[in-house]
Amino acid sequence: QVQLQESGPGLVEPSQTLSLTCTVSGGSISRGSFYWSWIRQPAGKGLEWIGRIYASGSTNYNPSLKSRVTISVDTPKNQFSLKLSSVTAADTAVYYCARDNDWFAPWGQGTLVTVSS
Amino acid sequence: DIQMTQSPSSLSASVGDRVTITCQASQDISNYLNWYQQKPGKAPKLLMYDASNLETGVPSRFSGSGSGTDFTFTISSLQPEDIATYYCQHYYNLPRTFGQGTKLEI
Repeated sequence: QVQLQESGPGLVEPSQTLSLTCTVSGGSISRGSFYWSWIRQPAGKGLEWIGRIYASGSTNYNPSLKSRVTISVDTPKNQFSLKLSSVTAADTAVYYCARDNDWFAPWGQGTLVTVSS
Repeated sequence: DIQMTQSPSSLSASVGDRVTITCQASQDISNYLNWYQQKPGKAPKLLMYDASNLETGVPSRFSGSGSGTDFTFTISSLQPEDIATYYCQHYYNLPRTFGQGTKLEI
């Protein structure tokens, strides 16, 4: 079955750009009518949808983050990526990638990104 | 953005209890509502979609109902492995938003 795995630096300095990649295995990112989403969760808090991408490259972003977010897709590598610019401590969170069919399933295991100098 | 409000925020129950969590949307979302279970240190897991449809492989003690603005999630007989935080999420429009979560304890 489809599995997702996030990867990227666990520590990012303030004002820099957070970059994460989600690798999809067990199925093609281009197959089916799925979007691919990024979701984050600060420690002890709730879930925040960041944005999504379709295999064609079409994107949607949460307006609260839109000015700082870029999501891209690399279909030959079966990956999609997140870039979040001008990060602050408030961006410290576990970042998840997930397949998006209006509901999110499956999810990656998540990766903790800490913003600190 | 559509606001999703869950209640209660936390709940203590005993094994075998019937447990009910509610989720209220700030506007009519039809049945575009999903429920997730998140155990400590783990990613959320989809339990129910379209308000009342059980995801494949999810035990039948879990159920959901509702439409419009008010939704209910029920565990008919609480099991020790059900200890987790539960979230609702709408998909009526963008951005997708989640409830604040209900932490279930025994």
